[in-house]
Amino acid sequence: DVQMVESGGDLVKPGGSLRLSCVVSGITFSNALMNWVRQAPGKGLEWVGRIKTETDGRTVDYAESVRGRFTISRDDSRDTLYLHMSSLKIEDTAVYHCMTIRQRYGDGYWGQGVLVTVSS
Amino acid sequence: EIVLTQSPGTLSLSPGERATLSCRASQTVNSRFLAWYQRKPGQPPRLLLYAASSRATGIPDRFSGRWSGTDFTLTISRLEPEDFAVYFCHQYGSSPPITFGQGTRLEI
Repeated sequence: DVQMVESGGDLVKPGGSLRLSCVVSGITFSNALMNWVRQAPGKGLEWVGRIKTETDGRTVDYAESVRGRFTISRDDSRDTLYLHMSSLKIEDTAVYHCMTIRQRYGDGYWGQGVLVTVSS
Repeated sequence: EIVLTQSPGTLSLSPGERATLSCRASQTVNSRFLAWYQRKPGQPPRLLLYAASSRATGIPDRFSGRWSGTDFTLTISRLEPEDFAVYFCHQYGSSPPITFGQGTRLEI
């Protein structure tokens, strides 16, 4: 079974920092383009950013709303995706999911998500 | 940014009926990078279709997709009780930002 398990969610004050992790099992993580997606309370899904594989240069793209504040990285030796968040704003409050689509294999997976609350 | 607009917002049908859900893109989307998901409360989204019409692993053939221009359609041919959920489309082309539709709630 494929599992994608996020962790690191917490209550943090505006301006603070947090690091989320997503541990992946059941697929070859190093071959997977990985995304972070969030959903704020009562809102739709918002793409946060993605990181490509080492083969594709580990290129990272970000949504405009988080560029310069969030950093996505990956550790293929640990099958883990990271989201480093800094200068957090109240509007960053959301459930954060890691996800991937693997067209080559005809599948795609999301983690259950982790809650980040930014509040004073 | 490509905006995906789904309609209807809510679709009320009965088991055995046919459901047709729409996702309209604000500009051209490469059909190779359009997916449909099903989401139930408390669960992560489940990939149904990728590349607009290819069923993901394990997805029954009552789920199908097609497209014409910027209009994408998910059809569920004969609704089963477990199909009542929220469905959303997702474009994940090579050029960010990646975007999602707002969802269609399929209810009994």
